[in-house]
Amino acid sequence: KNQVEQSPQSLIILEGKNCTLQCNYTVSPFSNLRWYKQDTGRGPVSLTIMTFSENTKSNGRYTATLDADTKQSSLHITASQLSDSASYICVVSAYLRQAGTALIFGKGTTLSVSS
Amino acid sequence: EPEVTQTPSHQVTQMGQEVILRCVPISNHLYFYWYRQILGQKVEFLVSFYNNEISEKSEIFDDQFSVERPDGSNFTLKIRSTKLEDSAMYFCASSEVFTEAFFGQGTRLTVV
Repeated sequence: KNQVEQSPQSLIILEGKNCTLQCNYTVSPFSNLRWYKQDTGRGPVSLTIMTFSENTKSNGRYTATLDADTKQSSLHITASQLSDSASYICVVSAYLRQAGTALIFGKGTTLSVSS
Repeated sequence: EPEVTQTPSHQVTQMGQEVILRCVPISNHLYFYWYRQILGQKVEFLVSFYNNEISEKSEIFDDQFSVERPDGSNFTLKIRSTKLEDSAMYFCASSEVFTEAFFGQGTRLTVV
């Protein structure tokens, strides 16, 4: 069964600190893995997207890693800011001929950054 | 920058009423999707649409749901007889052939 598991479920950190969010998946056929940021009541916004051949990708203070062998990914946030408070969702996609992009969502990690 | 737009942003309806949620996908995209997110839960896939027909649907997408692309720009989700448990954020997304999907800002549906 295609599944995406994320940990921790929630996280509270002080402004300026770093943090790492984890994602494990069992999705087949794997196409790519994305990290989305979702502010409360808003649609998900893509942070990074990686194919199986990419090990790491950065987007500003966000760095995602992917180990396709162990089917694990992480999202590292450096020097956190109050605006980083949001849900971070790991999404694994499989390209199915008839369905196009099939996106399997994790439950997300809720990050709270406090001053 | 092109974006997926959804209307209305918030819809309140009485149980048993029909609702239509509207989406304008990015113009050159070919695949269209509806997802929903019940408050506090993860985003769930409802349906994908390609070449003017449903290509995939989840078990959530039962006979109460239908989708249409009536005019080549709009993509709609209709719920025929809403139930309390249909209350959720509904997200529309679109993609090109083999690229990432872009999401709209969502419609918050409240069934009372």
